[in-house]
Amino acid sequence: DVKVTQSSRYLVKRTGEKVFLECVQDMDHENMFWYRQDPGLGLRLIYFSYDVKMKEKGDIPEGYSVSREKKERFSLILESASTNQTSMYLCASSSHLSDSNEETQYFGPGTRLLVL
Amino acid sequence: AQRVTQPEKLLSVFKGAPVELKCNYSYSGSPELFWYVQYSRQRLQLLLRHISRESIKGFTADLNKGETSFHLKKPFAQEEDSAMYYCALISYNQGGKLIFGQGTELSVKP
Repeated sequence: DVKVTQSSRYLVKRTGEKVFLECVQDMDHENMFWYRQDPGLGLRLIYFSYDVKMKEKGDIPEGYSVSREKKERFSLILESASTNQTSMYLCASSSHLSDSNEETQYFGPGTRLLVL
Repeated sequence: AQRVTQPEKLLSVFKGAPVELKCNYSYSGSPELFWYVQYSRQRLQLLLRHISRESIKGFTADLNKGETSFHLKKPFAQEEDSAMYYCALISYNQGGKLIFGQGTELSVKP
């Protein structure tokens, strides 16, 4: 059973703080993703990574950066948190395999971040 | 542009009534579409994918390329179906990322 874990379920930070959100998956997946989930906007992709030390910008990368030093871990960094980054953050992972059944993305439980 | 549209933010039905959650897409090429579901306090999870052509928890979805739609249907809604539903397509020409719709909250009343 695929397991994707996120370091915190709830986080409260102040404006200007540097924030780290961690995600770990245990299925040896190559692909990892960070989304934010906002009412009425659905899920929007922030960054993704196809392999260790590789990263690609998603649709809304501004104000965020990521780090993938190990295959199982994908970190999302808010360099200087702002109130408009208050959101639910979801991490996901998937396999590179060509078998389409393996292209499903598996999601973590989410981190609800409040920036004051 | 590749896009997924779910026109309804909220859909409220009574138990036992049929339900249809609408999803329209814009994609150049052959799309691969999914429905994801998020129950209260649970993680987002895959409900079904169009290539499987299967029924999950009584839900089905048929890809209609002519209408560019992938509506999710269930003939008799149950209270436990209440959840947030997201339609998504996989964009192979953008590195295999998922493009999600805005989501529809389904509320099934007793």
